[in-house]
Amino acid sequence: RKEVEQDPGPFNVPEGATVAFNCTYSNSASQSFFWYRQDCRKEPKLLMSVYSSGNEDGRFTAQLNRASQYISLLIRDSKLSDSATYLCVVNPNSGYALNFGKGTSLLVTP
Amino acid sequence: DAGITQSPRYKITETGRQVTLMCHQTWSHSYMFWYRQDLGHGLRLIYYSAAADITDKGEVPDGYVVSRSKTENFPLTLESATRSQTSVYFCASFQRDRANEAFFGQGTRLTVV
Repeated sequence: RKEVEQDPGPFNVPEGATVAFNCTYSNSASQSFFWYRQDCRKEPKLLMSVYSSGNEDGRFTAQLNRASQYISLLIRDSKLSDSATYLCVVNPNSGYALNFGKGTSLLVTP
Repeated sequence: DAGITQSPRYKITETGRQVTLMCHQTWSHSYMFWYRQDLGHGLRLIYYSAAADITDKGEVPDGYVVSRSKTENFPLTLESATRSQTSVYFCASFQRDRANEAFFGQGTRLTVV
């Protein structure tokens, strides 16, 4: 079983829609969680960290459920520029390598 | 300029040749990583390093060698390139702190023919 699993999509949504991605992880001792964004043929970039209490950054909301070992990302009022691949990332042990999910592809259409 | 840079950006090499991908970061981050990204597999960790002279294998280390004699450099060598090593390679650096954000280089697109 992969350590980090995501639905690959693609998710095709119209502008203005709300879309949610989920991600599950297998290592219950994991300590840090992130969502990264990757545009086509570019390097991944941090979108937001995910905190235990949940956190929001503008139109983006991230939540963590440790009991069920899943992470979610909610995007409200989708923009065309949100089209990208969203990578769920888990740090299994503080300070060590990051484990990436395969990514969820989002396409926002006019 | 500050940041993390990879070179070359594009490389075509022949099967059996040795090729080295370079990675340089200017932040003095302790941790550095090499990932490869292939369709259907996502990002897979090849090797990582916690500090100069400390390296460890990741998920897919076979056929690769790394070194880290200086904190800022983390070269990845393919000892004898194979077609299955055709991929996009990303180097990343990370400093354990409150943000715990990993920064990636722009990637090296390697084709083995």
